[in-house]
Amino acid sequence: GQQLNQSPQSMFIQEGEDVSMNCTSSSIFNTWLWYKQDPGEGPVLLIALYKAGELTSNGRLTAQFGITRKDSFLNISASIPSDVGIYFCAGQTIQGAQKLVFGQGTRLTINP
Amino acid sequence: KAGVTQTPRYLIKTRGQQVTLSCSPISGHRSVSWYQQTPGQGLQFLFEYFSETQRNKGNFPGRFSGRQFSNSRSEMNVSTLELGDSALYLCASSLDSGAGSGNTIYFGEGSWLTVV
Repeated sequence: GQQLNQSPQSMFIQEGEDVSMNCTSSSIFNTWLWYKQDPGEGPVLLIALYKAGELTSNGRLTAQFGITRKDSFLNISASIPSDVGIYFCAGQTIQGAQKLVFGQGTRLTINP
Repeated sequence: KAGVTQTPRYLIKTRGQQVTLSCSPISGHRSVSWYQQTPGQGLQFLFEYFSETQRNKGNFPGRFSGRQFSNSRSEMNVSTLELGDSALYLCASSLDSGAGSGNTIYFGEGSWLTVV
C-alpha cells in the first residue's frame, strides 16, 4: 500500500541532543500528523498540522507542514530518556480523512 | 474520559481459523477505523465505519471484514487465517468522518494476533 517516505529509519543519540526527522510524499495531503508509539502500545498523537507552511510546537517538539503540502518535519530539542520510541508521520486527505497514510517510522534510541 | 478500548489484547489462533476483534471508541465518537501493523508493511488502513456504514476500505482481501453497531462499537473479523495475518490490529476513533482540527484521530492500544 501507499506509504510516506520517512527518514531516518533509526537514530542513536546522546541524551540532551536535538533530533530531526522528516517525511516526504509524491502526493499532496491536507493534514500532516506526527505520532509516537511505545512498545506494546498504540500510536499517540504528538502534533497535528492543518495548513501549508504551518509551524507548530508542543513543548520540546516542533513540526512544520511543508509549503508544497508534500512534506513535513519533526524536531525534538534537548532529548530525554522518555523520548525513546518510534515516531510516525501520517498524511490525511479530505476525501478519505480516516484513511491515514503512514511513514515507515523512525526508531529513536537515546544513550544516557 | 476513557480512551479507545480494544479487546482482546493478545490472542493466538491456528491457520484456517477465524478471529473477531472488538473496539469501543471514545464516548461520543462515531467514526471507527481499523489498521494493521506489521514489521514489513508498517501501518496499513483496513476500513472505516461511520454510522454503521463502511465509508472507506483499504487494499485487503475479502477475508477481512468489519461492522459497526448503533452504539458506535465496532468489530473486525478475519476468516481463514493465514500466517501472514499475524500483526497488531489497531482501532482508531474520531468524532466524525471528516478532517480538520476538531476531529482528532485517537488510537487504541491494539490487539496482538499471532497465527500459528
